[in-house]
Amino acid sequence: DGGITQSPKYLFRKEGQNVTLSCEQNLNHDAMYWYRQDPGQGLRLIYYSQIVNDFQKGDIAEGYSVSREKKESFPLTVTSAQKNPTAFYLCASSMGHERVWYEQYFGPGTRLTVT
Amino acid sequence: RKEVEQDPGPFNVPEGATVAFNCTYSNSASQSFFWYRQDCRKEPKLLMSVYSSGNEDGRFTAQLNRASQYISLLIRDSKLSDSATYLCVVNDGNKLVFGAGTILRVKS
Repeated sequence: DGGITQSPKYLFRKEGQNVTLSCEQNLNHDAMYWYRQDPGQGLRLIYYSQIVNDFQKGDIAEGYSVSREKKESFPLTVTSAQKNPTAFYLCASSMGHERVWYEQYFGPGTRLTVT
Repeated sequence: RKEVEQDPGPFNVPEGATVAFNCTYSNSASQSFFWYRQDCRKEPKLLMSVYSSGNEDGRFTAQLNRASQYISLLIRDSKLSDSATYLCVVNDGNKLVFGAGTILRVKS
């Protein structure tokens, strides 16, 4: 059963705490991405990785960190430095080729609420 | 000007109707285009890729007009199950840029 999994589906944290969101894919895709979605807005790119052990900042990387130690996994840490972390976080993957952007396939998302 | 602009809607249409959405993009160097469908509180799902002038898949037709920098999505014979938000996505050579989406509500 190929696909992208994200966990947990819902996450609640207190302000000041770091939190890590999981993303795993078994599609054998080289590239993986993290987006956040806020009501009424398009998806915004946080980080992406087109190859293991390498990743690049997207448009809104401040307050976030990632790692890509395995092809299948791309966890996102939301740090306490992120000023407005409450959002819907979506992980995606695609075939990869340097600087070529193919259609992306999304996981089910994690809804993070920070109070 | 936003990189990708869509009419947020909502478009309220009866079952069986034909409905069309437009999406404009600002970067004339954009190379490929996609339509995604997103149900409420769910992830976006790829509906169609548009690599040349257009693409058709059953009741759905996507067209690209590079001169005027817009893509359109036409849905024929609308079903209740077509109710969703439709996201226009543009590959501008550096990343995929997502529009905020157009809401479609199909009513019986």
